[in-house]
Amino acid sequence: SQQGEEDPQALSIQEGENATMNCSYKTSINNLQWYRQNSGRGLVHLILIRSNEREKHSGRLRVTLDTSKKSSSLLITASRAADTASYFCATAVLISSGSARQLTFGSGTQLTVLP
Amino acid sequence: KAGVTQTPRYLIKTRGQQVTLSCSPISGHRSVSWYQQTPGQGLQFLFEYFSETQRNKGNFPGRFSGRQFSNSRSEMNVSTLELGDSALYLCASSLGQGANQPQHFGDGTRLSIL
Repeated sequence: SQQGEEDPQALSIQEGENATMNCSYKTSINNLQWYRQNSGRGLVHLILIRSNEREKHSGRLRVTLDTSKKSSSLLITASRAADTASYFCATAVLISSGSARQLTFGSGTQLTVLP
Repeated sequence: KAGVTQTPRYLIKTRGQQVTLSCSPISGHRSVSWYQQTPGQGLQFLFEYFSETQRNKGNFPGRFSGRQFSNSRSEMNVSTLELGDSALYLCASSLGQGANQPQHFGDGTRLSIL
């Protein structure tokens, strides 16, 4: 089963609006990462947030992490048609050494930004 | 810097055949991970290679194998292909081992089994 689950599965907004996607996970993590995938292409890394961080920004992107609720959110402000893509959260499950072996991806949110 | 390169981009095989996919990581990256992406199961981790050694393995049958060369390039092999192996196979490279840093993905190999 997936470690991370995104919500909603699909989101359609108008250009200029903000888009918020949520991710919930089940076990303790070393870090959580967000990726974007355009149709037919590979994944592009957006932001990595570590378990001791609560918020990170990168341009129009803002990621929050609440380890007590085991959840994260990705906010894209002032969205553009070029932001149309699938967005995935990926959790790096914490192992005993304090490190993380592998990423486990959620099922993704399909974002459509209408011009 | 050149990105992660995967070859071929598309491949069509029939059941029972075997296939080898190739991945060239970003220069200087020593870790290569492989993932299978399907509409039904999503993105699933296959294995990770670091310094020519398999360091971590996902829950896939032994028909799926890989290797890494001294220049960090990696190959993935699938033997006795089944219809359910049809998928987009993605490789990702990173500087270090494990999932403590961002993964850089190639555009994948689309494998279709007839």
